[in-house]
Amino acid sequence: QKEVEQNSGPLSVPEGAIASLNCTYSDRGSQSFFWYRQYSGKSPELIMSIYSNGDKEDGRFTAQLNKASQYVSLLIRDSQPSDSATYLCAVWSNYQLIWGAGTKLIIKP
Amino acid sequence: KAGVTQTPRYLIKTRGQQVTLSCSPISGHRSVSWYQQTPGQGLQFLFEYFSETQRNKGNFPGRFSGRQFSNSRSEMNVSTLELGDSALYLCASRGDGTGVTEKLFFGSGTQLSVL
Repeated sequence: QKEVEQNSGPLSVPEGAIASLNCTYSDRGSQSFFWYRQYSGKSPELIMSIYSNGDKEDGRFTAQLNKASQYVSLLIRDSQPSDSATYLCAVWSNYQLIWGAGTKLIIKP
Repeated sequence: KAGVTQTPRYLIKTRGQQVTLSCSPISGHRSVSWYQQTPGQGLQFLFEYFSETQRNKGNFPGRFSGRQFSNSRSEMNVSTLELGDSALYLCASRGDGTGVTEKLFFGSGTQLSVL
């Protein structure tokens, strides 16, 4: 059974600080990795995708991938209260997306 | 371009009944996936349809079934409802469904309560 693990949180971060979210996966053959954000009562929306080892930056968001260690992380710089949400890590494995249970992030003003 | 449309938004059923949920993907998208989401469990993959064929299936009992029509609209059916089927059911569509890099677009979901 392929797995994706995330710390469920909640992770509390002061406004303006860096929020760091982590995800590990079990399938060494995985090639595609995604971070989705889900606000309470809403549907998930894609915020970052990453396919190669290293860092990928998009505005305040940076995704990091380390295939050798089988982890992917998401950094949110200058955290804002509007970043408070659950962040879902998803990994493409064996023709389907495997999802982590999500990390609840709380940004404190 | 209209997003993914799911109907109904809310459903209340009793044990033993059956239910049908509907999903209309983004125009031009041929892949439709269904997910069950419960608190603490994350998103659990139910199945994916592409061009009217079930391409992949998750680890759910046979009470959960689906189908896709020629216009890419999809329905999901749950028969003999159990209390544990209470969940948010999400539908997601993506482009031509052939690439692992494709972004999923989610509908607003159907909140099913089984009493």
